[in-house]
Amino acid sequence: GQQLNQSPQSMFIQEGEDVSMNCTSSSIFNTWLWYKQDPGEGPVLLIALYKAGELTSNGRLTAQFGITRKDSFLNISASIPSDVGIYFCAGPRGTNAGKSTFGDGTTLTVKP
Amino acid sequence: NAGVTQTPKFQVLKTGQSMTLQCAQDMNHEYMSWYRQDPGMGLRLIHYSVGAGITDQGEVPNGYNVSRSTTEDFPLRLLSAAPSQTSVYFCASSTGSGANVLTFGAGSRLTVL
Repeated sequence: GQQLNQSPQSMFIQEGEDVSMNCTSSSIFNTWLWYKQDPGEGPVLLIALYKAGELTSNGRLTAQFGITRKDSFLNISASIPSDVGIYFCAGPRGTNAGKSTFGDGTTLTVKP
Repeated sequence: NAGVTQTPKFQVLKTGQSMTLQCAQDMNHEYMSWYRQDPGMGLRLIHYSVGAGITDQGEVPNGYNVSRSTTEDFPLRLLSAAPSQTSVYFCASSTGSGANVLTFGAGSRLTVL
């Protein structure tokens, strides 16, 4: 089945540093989504990517949809303490939009 | 807009007890789904629904039942709770079109003793 592998599993960084995380799959995805989960809350969408090669920014966040359609990365520039949380990549499963597959998440800790 | 509302936020059960986690959305979304989140395992799909009266199994459906009698509500039932069902449960809804962007509830933390 479709699986998403995220790396790294966790990151401990200093405030102000840049962060990079990625997501790979053995299957092709037509859409990549990046969510962030704050402690004690549900995940919230950060960025959606719709076509291969697409590069999209949302403030200090930049994400790219890999050309092979089997990977995506998310960069955070100049990290701040409120960037703390779990970052998930996700995508619809096959042609069934009712299902979404999620990666295992990257847990980010930012030290002030 | 309330979005997706889950109740209860916390629950402790004894092994063998049954309970229902409630989920309601006010965005007129057709698609609703239940995920469980365990440490280091991301979000795993339990059951989902593409519309009132239609439900289907996800990755980890055993031990859970769902029904969808209205567009707004999608309750998750644990028939006989087991310690392996200790987890945080998230309900989500979406339009089902395009990228299937999910709107999540705040989660329900369940502990089974």
